Amino acid sequence: DAGITQSPRHKVTETGTPVTLRCHQTENHRYMYWYRQDPGHGLRLIHYSYGVKDTDKGEVSDGYSVSRSKTEDFLLTLESATSSQTSVYFCAISEGIGNQPQHFGDGTRLSIL
Amino acid sequence: AQSVTQPDIHITVSEGASLELRCNYSYGATPYLFWYVQSPGQGLQLLLKYFSGDTLVQGIKGFEAEFKRSQSSFNLRKPSVHWSDAAEYFCAVGENDMRFGAGTRLTVKP
Repeated sequence: DAGITQSPRHKVTETGTPVTLRCHQTENHRYMYWYRQDPGHGLRLIHYSYGVKDTDKGEVSDGYSVSRSKTEDFLLTLESATSSQTSVYFCAISEGIGNQPQHFGDGTRLSIL
Repeated sequence: AQSVTQPDIHITVSEGASLELRCNYSYGATPYLFWYVQSPGQGLQLLLKYFSGDTLVQGIKGFEAEFKRSQSSFNLRKPSVHWSDAAEYFCAVGENDMRFGAGTRLTVKP
């Protein structure tokens, strides 16, 4: 299996608090992605990165920010969490051919009360 | 705008029977198309992809998919389903900003 680790795997927090999710890869892949998965919506792209300090917005980026200071780490931050951000979050990586996500982490289940 | 429709939310097939999961897409140019599988509590695994060339693509676990431009479809098939194929399947289209369908949940009857 590809070396992707998401942390934490589960988190419960309150509305208005900041939350940071971490994705760590050991594959040295150039592209990294953050998705959220909600029933009836499949996966929706939040942000992606095409290199260190190079990021771009996805379909549902409002309320989220990301940072990538090292090739292996991609952080997703919810500056002030809202209940609508309760979801399962997946990180994915890609070598870049076709740029599609090739390997996914096991997800972080985030509940915002 | 690109989009993907998976018309079947849930499909049940008997073990050993053939399977076809439907996927229709909307995309402005020649699409990059993908199928992923997700087992409960896990991330997605790439089954197969189409970029260009032969419209029938082979993937892992005995799956194949056929790109039909005239029908804007990319249906996934397997000739004989195994109990371990029970999972959720997602079709996707695009490049960096990929769009996923809502998924089809497959149940396999013994």
